[in-house]
Amino acid sequence: GNSVTQMEGPVTLSEEAFLTINCTYTATGYPSLFWYVQYPGEGLQLLLKATKADDKGSNKGFEATYRKETTSFHLEKGSVQVSDSAVYFCAPRRAGGFKTIFGAGTRLFVKA
Amino acid sequence: GAGVSQSPSNKVTEKGKDVELRCDPISGHTALYWYRQSLGQGLEFLIYFQGNSAPDKSGLPSDRFSAERTGGSVSTLTIQRTQQEDSAVYLCASSSQGVSNYGYTFGSGTRLTVV
Repeated sequence: GNSVTQMEGPVTLSEEAFLTINCTYTATGYPSLFWYVQYPGEGLQLLLKATKADDKGSNKGFEATYRKETTSFHLEKGSVQVSDSAVYFCAPRRAGGFKTIFGAGTRLFVKA
Repeated sequence: GAGVSQSPSNKVTEKGKDVELRCDPISGHTALYWYRQSLGQGLEFLIYFQGNSAPDKSGLPSDRFSAERTGGSVSTLTIQRTQQEDSAVYLCASSSQGVSNYGYTFGSGTRLTVV
């Protein structure tokens, strides 16, 4: 079945540091790939998505590229801010399917 | 509505009691999902609705859990004879269609505590 593995946290960075959160998945066919973010005390929000190989999803300075050959969808940001402190979830969704599988989440702390 | 609304936001119940959790999805969203998030854990899929039918109930943990959706809109998740291991945040999400390219819009969740 489909599964997802993402980098264990917590990740602690200083403001303006470069962020990478690794995510790899197993799935048949071409899943759609999503990153969701959960800010403290809030519900999950869709951050970005990519629906086919080599697509790059981007939002709020975050980017992730759909890498079919390595079945990865790593999240990156060039310069993090304190307000980026949150839990990030990698979430593949099987091609033609309805259910999204969520990773365990990676907690990010950004220090001023 | 403008977003996905869940109620109550917090629920404390005694072990053995029944609880009902409500989800009001975004108007026009045909797909509705329930997930459970336990402390420090990822999201666990419970059930999916397309319209009023539930093609995938595979994640319901036991027969104490049931869910329904009426009028293609509001959904209720019922937990009978609650146990302490049912304590978690129950999240509802909706999507404009069930197909794979659409992301979910989540509600803020119901935090259930069984004492």
